[in-house]
Amino acid sequence: DAGVIQSPRHEVTEMGQEVTLRCKPISGHDYLFWYRQTMMRGLELLIYFNNNVPIDDSGMPEDRFSAKMPNASFSTLKIQPSEPRDSAVYFCASRSQGSYGYTFGSGTRLTVV
Amino acid sequence: GENVEQHPSTLSVQEGDSAVIKCTYSDSASNYFPWYKQELGKRPQLIIDIRSNVGEKKDQRIAVTLNKTAKHFSLHITETQPEDSAVYFCAARLSYGGSQGNLIFGKGTKLSVKP
Repeated sequence: DAGVIQSPRHEVTEMGQEVTLRCKPISGHDYLFWYRQTMMRGLELLIYFNNNVPIDDSGMPEDRFSAKMPNASFSTLKIQPSEPRDSAVYFCASRSQGSYGYTFGSGTRLTVV
Repeated sequence: GENVEQHPSTLSVQEGDSAVIKCTYSDSASNYFPWYKQELGKRPQLIIDIRSNVGEKKDQRIAVTLNKTAKHFSLHITETQPEDSAVYFCAARLSYGGSQGNLIFGKGTKLSVKP
């Protein structure tokens, strides 16, 4: 199993541009989570999906952030327009219905200049 | 809702010494407590976990203890080595509500092991 796969690994973009982060969960995992990690706030849960349905998006900071999961093997997190304060590492994680632990992807380091 | 507090935020030890990181949680029905290690520039990875029906679990140089009455759990690393330097996150599994089953993470502890 290749684990949770995220792309790109690094993204540098200019303020105001649209950014799309991608995640492929482990096959068979029912839950998918998007986290943002910064030095100040640690790991923040942005949104999570169960069987491709968004369950809780209360962590999404603003309307500029949106997430989709069109099928069981793919999810996107979009920021439009991006701002410098969005600079962070974004992690995707997944787990199966019957397990407790999460498996994290390698993360996307986003820098907005 | 569930809250997980983790202390200390930074910890520096000499190689060979022991390190202890403590977490407290608020949901008395939480039944699963994992610890994740995140090396610089890498993903958080599960290193050890404990369920509420046991008080202690060991895996070589690392151990986790759980005190359900006091609602706290700790990570113990003995004979620390430079490669133990990382950020460690504790978490507790939420037992109620719409987000039942989700993990609530502590803020992390940056451990530095000095040679």
